[in-house]
Formats: sequence, C-alpha cells, structure tokens
Amino acid sequence: GNSVTQMEGPVTLSEEAFLTINCTYTATGYPSLFWYVQYPGEGLQLLLKATKADDKGSNKGFEATYRKETTSFHLEKGSVQVSDSAVYFCALSDRNFNKFYFGSGTKLNVKP
Amino acid sequence: GAVVSQHPSWVICKSGTSVKIECRSLDFQATTMFWYRQFPKQSLMLMATSNEGSKATYEQGVEKDKFLINHASLTLSTLTVTSAHPEDSSFYICSAPGGLLAGEGEQYFGPGTRLTVT
Repeated sequence: GNSVTQMEGPVTLSEEAFLTINCTYTATGYPSLFWYVQYPGEGLQLLLKATKADDKGSNKGFEATYRKETTSFHLEKGSVQVSDSAVYFCALSDRNFNKFYFGSGTKLNVKP
Repeated sequence: GAVVSQHPSWVICKSGTSVKIECRSLDFQATTMFWYRQFPKQSLMLMATSNEGSKATYEQGVEKDKFLINHASLTLSTLTVTSAHPEDSSFYICSAPGGLLAGEGEQYFGPGTRLTVT
C-alpha cells in the first residue's frame, strides 16, 4: 500500500540555520510527491511538488528531490527564517491526484 | 488565490448529538471535495470523496451511516457526524482540487474544524 513517514518534531532552529526534514515513502505504481505547509490558523498550502523520479521541486528557497532509489523526498532549505515556522507535511498521491497520503507532519520552530 | 473555508472552526457537542461541518470553495467551483480526519500528531487520513450530484465514496473502514456527506452545490460540501461519541473527537479537514486555477495535482485545503464530543 501507500504510506509516508516523516521525521518527528518539533524541530527548533536558529534563524539562518540549514533545514532538513526527512521523508520516505512506500507506494504502488508511480506516485507524485508533495510538501505542504500549514501556518498557524490556516489551511494546508502546497509548498512544492515533484511528479517523477529525479525531479526537483523548489519554492521560496525550499527544495526536495524525488529519489526513487531511496524512496525519499527530503525537504531542505539553506537558511531558514522566523517566518518559516509552521508545520510541514510530506504527501504522495496516486497518478490521478485523487487520493493523498500524508505523513504525520513536522513542526518547525525558528528562533530569531 | 483560491480559498476553501470551513465552518465552524471549533465545535463542542454532547455525546449522542449530531454535528454538521461545512466546507466551501470561495472563488472556484469544485465538483469533488475530500474529507480528512487528523488525530493528534498523526497523519491526515482520507475519509471520503464528496461528489456533486452523486453519492460520496467512502474509504475502507469509514462508516458511511455515521459520517454523512452531502455535496449540495458546486461550492459546498457538508459532513455530518451523527450520534457523535467521544471517540469521534478529532480535527476534520476538507480539500478541493484547484482545477484551472491550480497546477497539476494541487489541492486547496480548508483550515480545519476541531470537534470535541463530551
């Protein structure tokens, strides 16, 4: 079946530190992979995505590469800001983008 | 950008009563919406797919008679938790595909509804 595992939080970093949030998946077929972000009091927002192996998704300084050989989609950012504090969800979807499978979410706290 | 709203954001009800949660797409039409449930520190679990003009499709293990879904219009889906019990206490989130407004595969999520059953 399909499932997503991501590192537990919370993750606490100082401003300008390097961020990695690990995400691995199991899937049947060829899924698409996503990172969603949830700011306090708001709905989940798409941060980035990759639809096939070796694709790199990027947005707002965040990057993640679809690694089929390691079944991973780790989220990275070279220099975090206080405004990046949020909960980050790794997810995969089937080819029709109808069903999403989410990781448990990782809370990021960035201190000034 | 496209927005999905949910109402109420937080509700407390007594055991045995029913609660209705609304999910609205504010500036786009959604023939399909999805309902998720999230337990503390756990993944979002897809409960059902709400289809405008037809019956909802429920995921395995979800009681359709307990979680009634009605897709009343192209901008509104409702989830009714019937005869609620404390174990139904959870965070319920809806989403809708962005369609022409969004990129491939993008979903727009509501802010969620916290249900507490006493």
